[in-house]
Amino acid sequence: EADIYQTPRYLVIGTGKKITLECSQTMGHDKMYWYQQDPGMELHLIHYSYGVNSTEKGDLSSESTVSRIRTEHFPLTLESARPSHTSQYLCASSDPRWAAFFGQGTRLTVV
Amino acid sequence: AQSVSQHNHHVILSEAASLELGCNYSYGGTVNLFWYVQYPGQHLQLLLKYFSGDPLVKGIKGFEAEFIKSKFSFNLRKPSVQWSDTAEYFCAVNARNTGNQFYFGTGTSLTVIP
Repeated sequence: EADIYQTPRYLVIGTGKKITLECSQTMGHDKMYWYQQDPGMELHLIHYSYGVNSTEKGDLSSESTVSRIRTEHFPLTLESARPSHTSQYLCASSDPRWAAFFGQGTRLTVV
Repeated sequence: AQSVSQHNHHVILSEAASLELGCNYSYGGTVNLFWYVQYPGQHLQLLLKYFSGDPLVKGIKGFEAEFIKSKFSFNLRKPSVQWSDTAEYFCAVNARNTGNQFYFGTGTSLTVIP
């Protein structure tokens, strides 16, 4: 059983609000990722991290930001949420052989 | 950029039928290949992976996948599906020498009818 946790599981917020999606893993993995997943669409990488103090943008343009101050923690922040941000956000970490482990996801709805 | 294609978007099978889900990728270099499964209401889980060696890899729950390098394919198979196999299946590719990025297909929704 993978030890990667995301909170909250579900979130409904109003437009313009600032939100932070939490992701933590207890496996000591250096590599962590954030993906966006819409129904019927492929997973899109929006951010990733090699390790502490290292973050990169992924393939999908995103208005979110991430930080990696501790190995186990990789939060994603939206400074001003919009309805177009409504989606499912998946956090993952990978072991040295590149197998990825995923959290349960946060389903975000912006109204 | 790499891409991963899963041509079957929705598959409906009866129990005991055989399953094959297609996965093709575009990257020509050395790759790691994965199949992930997402059961209803649950998180994505690793089903099986290929790094090197025997191109036929076996995963959990009786699933297997075959890497055919010449066809850039990594198809998932199961000889006899069960109702509990109803889930979303994602193929993913990670290139060994290009950093941390995984590329996922759009997923295949499998429904197994009892």
